[in-house]
Amino acid sequence: DAGVIQSPRHEVTEMGQEVTLRCKPISGHNSLFWYRQTMMRGLELLIYFNNNVPIDDSGMPEDRFSAKMPNASFSTLKIQPSEPRDSAVYFCASQRGQGRDEQFFGPGTRLTVL
Amino acid sequence: KQEVTQIPAALSVPEGENLVLNCSFTDSAIYNLQWFRQDPGKGLTSLLLIQSSQREQTSGRLNASLDKSSGRSTLYIAASQPGDSATYLCAAPDTGRRALTFGSGTRLQVQP
Repeated sequence: DAGVIQSPRHEVTEMGQEVTLRCKPISGHNSLFWYRQTMMRGLELLIYFNNNVPIDDSGMPEDRFSAKMPNASFSTLKIQPSEPRDSAVYFCASQRGQGRDEQFFGPGTRLTVL
Repeated sequence: KQEVTQIPAALSVPEGENLVLNCSFTDSAIYNLQWFRQDPGKGLTSLLLIQSSQREQTSGRLNASLDKSSGRSTLYIAASQPGDSATYLCAAPDTGRRALTFGSGTRLQVQP
């Protein structure tokens, strides 16, 4: 299995631009999580999906952030408009089953907003 | 809300030493706990998952224990090697949620 796939690996953009991050979970996993890692706040959950349905989006910082999962093999996290404080590493993780299984993380997308 | 604390924040040891990394969590109503490794600039690699019904889980030179009643987990690394140098993260499910709450990590440096 290829593991969780994320793209792009690095993104540099200017303030105000739209940014779209992509994730392909491990085949057969029915839960997908988006986390953000910063030096100040560590790793924090943004949103997670179960069977393609958003279950908990309480970690989404504000309306500029949105996430979708149109099918079991693809999810996007969009920031519009982006701001310098959004600069972070964004991780996608997937999990099989009902929560008692391991979460497997992708390599992350390092986002820099100038 | 779950809170996860890891001590020490950083550790430097000579090669060959056995060492223990500590993790504590506030909400003991967890069904599992997961340890990860993160290399600089890289993603998270899952090392061990301990279910609440287990007390220990082993993988090679790594052994993780879980004591729900005291809200503690430890990661034991035997015969440390320079290749073990990384940040080790402990994560427990958030209260009432499936999302993981992470500790701030222990940055390990194994000197050759």
